[in-house]
Amino acid sequence: EAGVTQSPTHLIKTRGQQATLRCSPISGHTSVYWYQQALGLGLQFLLWYDEGEERNRGNFPPRFSGRQFPNYSSELNVNALELEDSALYLCASSSNTYNEQFFGPGTRLTVL
Amino acid sequence: GQQLNQSPQSMFIQEGEDVSMNCTSSSIFNTWLWYKQDPGEGPVLLIALYKAGELTSNGRLTAQFGITRKDSFLNISASIPSDVGIYFCAGRVPSPGYALNFGKGTSLLVTP
Repeated sequence: EAGVTQSPTHLIKTRGQQATLRCSPISGHTSVYWYQQALGLGLQFLLWYDEGEERNRGNFPPRFSGRQFPNYSSELNVNALELEDSALYLCASSSNTYNEQFFGPGTRLTVL
Repeated sequence: GQQLNQSPQSMFIQEGEDVSMNCTSSSIFNTWLWYKQDPGEGPVLLIALYKAGELTSNGRLTAQFGITRKDSFLNISASIPSDVGIYFCAGRVPSPGYALNFGKGTSLLVTP
């Protein structure tokens, strides 16, 4: 069974640009979660999507947004990039909101 | 999110030694999860705990869900070099949202 996949692996942008990150959950999983992991820090919860709807978001500004598609894959968009947005962005999926989350390998976003 | 205190922040041990790390929270959790993260990769789920007092093993790893529901520990017995990595605890509060709250991680180094 394929795990959670994310693309691209690395992304380099300049300040003010927009970044789009993609995630495909494990087959059969309907919930997708996004986390930000800045260098040397723990994981900070960004967004949670379930059945195509945004269910919850963490303490991040509105320029962090996303969506979930009918096939349960998800996209994270970060607008007006700032230097401090440089981080590893992790996507996780679960079969329902009560089960454990399985993580993808992450997208390393670098903002210059 | 809820504050999770994970300790120790780092450990430097010799191969064959046992390791113990723990997490405490100011809030009650209904789920505790333990993950391991290798450099540049996403966290991998090691053990999931769903009931207060639950003790679960996965090979040389053992974790327990504290009876107060505010703490959990992870033990690694007879450590080996491939145990090197960052270990994260994560907990979920019994309230709407169901996002995971992560500790800041314990960095484990094992010398042969």
